[in-house]
Amino acid sequence: EPEVTQTPSHQVTQMGQEVILRCVPISNHLYFYWYRQILGQKVEFLVSFYNNEISEKSEIFDDQFSVERPDGSNFTLKIRSTKLEDSAMYFCASGLAANNEQFFGPGTRLTVL
Amino acid sequence: GQNIDQPTEMTATEGAIVQINCTYQTSGFNGLFWYQQHAGEAPTFLSYNVLDGLEEKGRFSSFLSRSKGYSYLLLKELQMKDSASYLCAVRVRNSGYALNFGKGTSLLVTP
Repeated sequence: EPEVTQTPSHQVTQMGQEVILRCVPISNHLYFYWYRQILGQKVEFLVSFYNNEISEKSEIFDDQFSVERPDGSNFTLKIRSTKLEDSAMYFCASGLAANNEQFFGPGTRLTVL
Repeated sequence: GQNIDQPTEMTATEGAIVQINCTYQTSGFNGLFWYQQHAGEAPTFLSYNVLDGLEEKGRFSSFLSRSKGYSYLLLKELQMKDSASYLCAVRVRNSGYALNFGKGTSLLVTP
């Protein structure tokens, strides 16, 4: 069964460094999302992406964040200058259509020191 | 804004039935989703309701009342592996189809 994949599974970085989290959505899906979950807290929406542009972004998704679909398969989240509070599990999700269920990847655990 | 409420924790016995409630307050409601999340893992889709009524999928059923802003997830014939967090999520029109999650209900199934 097709699934969303994410790399790396764990990322440790120093405060102020740039990180890129990578996702490969399910191949025929058209809608892509990033969510994050700080340890012990709820899953929070960051950004949705369709037709090569951002559809919606939350207040969390400030100028330090950006997303890109550099080719036909990858979907990336970049954090330009990481802060301690960016430490969280980052989930990528994809959906076939806008009103379909979203399938989540296994996540990347980001630790900012 | 949106407000999604669900109980923090529940405990049930193997083989029993458990109902996890979720209430929400939102404008532009466009669907309610239930996800299961085991510790340290990704949320896994369980069910979706956009119209009032009951949706059944095997041991799992989900109910929605839009007028009451209320949903529940019903788990039958509980198994130990059902111990997990159950997340209620609401989708809102004109939100880029983002899911807004509740804090989740941690379910412990005991022998």
